[in-house]
Amino acid sequence: EAQVTQNPRYLITVTGKKLTVTCSQNMNHEYMSWYRQDPGLGLRQIYYSMNVEVTDKGDVPEGYKVSRKEKRNFPLILESPSPNQTSLYFCATRPAVNYEQYFGPGTRLTVT
Amino acid sequence: GESVGLHLPTLSVQEGDNSIINCAYSNSASDYFIWYKQESGKGPQFIIDIRSNMDKRQGQRVTVLLNKTVKHLSLQIAATQPGDSAVYFCAENSRYSSASKIIFGSGTRLSIRP
Repeated sequence: EAQVTQNPRYLITVTGKKLTVTCSQNMNHEYMSWYRQDPGLGLRQIYYSMNVEVTDKGDVPEGYKVSRKEKRNFPLILESPSPNQTSLYFCATRPAVNYEQYFGPGTRLTVT
Repeated sequence: GESVGLHLPTLSVQEGDNSIINCAYSNSASDYFIWYKQESGKGPQFIIDIRSNMDKRQGQRVTVLLNKTVKHLSLQIAATQPGDSAVYFCAENSRYSSASKIIFGSGTRLSIRP
């Protein structure tokens, strides 16, 4: 079954405590992206990757890091989380040949 | 700057009627448009897409229309069912940006009246 998995699904943390949200896909897709979703602002792209070791900034990259060491994994790293990073985060993947993105189930992050 | 927006934040439709969800965009270089459906508690789900060299594309019970002259696209859902209740997003990609850079609109919530 085609899947995009994210872990954890829910996380409450404190300001400044480094965290990583993992994303994994089993579809051998080249493209992977991270989005955050906030009320009234829709989905905003944080970072994206077009293939292994190729990453680029989206619209709201500040405060985030990513890595793409393997094709199936695209972790999102918050080195020093702040309350304005409280949000719902989605990982998405798609093949290079079309724009049919598959989204993960989401990670709800609260930073206090 | 680039923006993709929607005319109405909410839409209420009688079950069995057709739904039309509208989206306006501002970037003349927008080359590719996608519609997503997001049900409560889930991630967005791809519905249908259309390239800028097309005016219309049909899927199963859905049709997307693109009017480049007025920078407007719409999603039509035929014979709306309770399972169509969701937030619908339009999104676009520009020919001058990376193929992975997708900009989303803010969404329209579709509710179905029995």
